[in-house]
Amino acid sequence: EVQLVESGGGLVPPGGSLRLSCAASGFIFSNYALHWVRQAPGKGLEYVSAINSNGDRTYYANSVKGRFTISRDNSKNTLYLQMGSLRTEDMAVYYCARDSSFYYYDYWGQGTLVTVSS
Amino acid sequence: SYELTQPPSVSVSPGQTASITCSGDKLGDKYASWYQQKPGQSPVLVIYQDNKRPSGIPERFSGSNSGNTATLTISGTQAVDEADYYCQAWDSRSAPFGGGTKLTVL
Repeated sequence: EVQLVESGGGLVPPGGSLRLSCAASGFIFSNYALHWVRQAPGKGLEYVSAINSNGDRTYYANSVKGRFTISRDNSKNTLYLQMGSLRTEDMAVYYCARDSSFYYYDYWGQGTLVTVSS
Repeated sequence: SYELTQPPSVSVSPGQTASITCSGDKLGDKYASWYQQKPGQSPVLVIYQDNKRPSGIPERFSGSNSGNTATLTISGTQAVDEADYYCQAWDSRSAPFGGGTKLTVL
């Protein structure tokens, strides 16, 4: 069974940093690109970042470019999102999602909540 | 960046057909997918590659995509279908979503 389990969310002050993790199981991790998607309270889904299967190509939404870094450790079956210079508008539930390789997400994690507040 | 537009809300009576649209420039040239999200839950894929249903998704869900508009159709809508629905289409370097449509079954 495919599982994606996010962790690392919490309360952080504006300007602070946080690292999210997404532990994967039930599939060959190194075969799939992975994405981060977020959802602010009461708002819609927003694509954040993506990384290809071997980690040498990364992509970012304009809203996080230069502040967030996506990475992965294929030996640990784990995806990461290093978030810096956090703003109140970054407050959201952050989901990791598996890229099916055919232009859709076939699996999602349960999400982890990031709260940016002083 | 590529933008997708959905109506904020759609209402339908039980047993009737609900249609949710998603508009974007030359959207028909891309693959559209649709996700259902219920309160407090993660999104679930209901349509991929314009018109394909994942296993476990009821046959009443269908999709189409042509020109600048993709459409999610739910035939014989049931109360359990009440949820937020999001379209998505992949651009060269991103995978943007539409703003979401709240489907109310009343």
